Amino acid sequence: EDQVTQSPEALRLQEGESSSLNCSYTVSGLRGLFWYRQDPGKGPEFLFTLYSAGEEKEKERLKATLTKKESFLHITAPKPEDSATYLCAVQAEDSSYKLIFGSGTRLLVRP
Amino acid sequence: GAVVSQHPSRVICKSGTSVKIECRSLDFQATTMFWYRQFPKQSLMLMATSNEGSKATYEQGVEKDKFLINHASLTLSTLTVTSAHPEDSSFYICSASRVRGPGNTIYFGEGSWLTVV
Repeated sequence: EDQVTQSPEALRLQEGESSSLNCSYTVSGLRGLFWYRQDPGKGPEFLFTLYSAGEEKEKERLKATLTKKESFLHITAPKPEDSATYLCAVQAEDSSYKLIFGSGTRLLVRP
Repeated sequence: GAVVSQHPSRVICKSGTSVKIECRSLDFQATTMFWYRQFPKQSLMLMATSNEGSKATYEQGVEKDKFLINHASLTLSTLTVTSAHPEDSSFYICSASRVRGPGNTIYFGEGSWLTVV
């Protein structure tokens, strides 16, 4: 069964304190691994798609990496506006294109 | 800017009535759209996959007759909650698959808050 586990469940950081969020997955053939940011009461905002082990993508203070078993979202020198829930999802190599989501990591960055 | 739009963003309806939520892909054609439900402080739960021109594929435990999905064009999918009850109150989110070459990106709408009174 395809499964996604995110850790930690919640993370509190001081502004400027870098850290990483983990996404472990099991899937019967990975088509893609997706990272999203979700603010309260809003739909998820697309961040990255990673397709193969060893791939890395960056956007501002965020960097996503991928191995055959997990993905990390590294946040460098975070700011309070980075506070949000970060969601990881996998897409299997079947024909459905549907995403299987983890439970998310709630990030709070304090000034 | 947004590439997937949902409407309405908030709706209140009376118990027993039906309510329709629209999901539009704004600048691309989406043969596949998805409908999710999200409870407070929980992750997204996939309800169904909406395929243009064919019947939707529902996830286990989701009532087909209660949550009617129509994907009549390449840019529009609708979710109709029929005979709504207070327990149907939730945040409903749609997404659309944009395929480019070998890759694809799934974009989400802004979500629709449904309150059944």
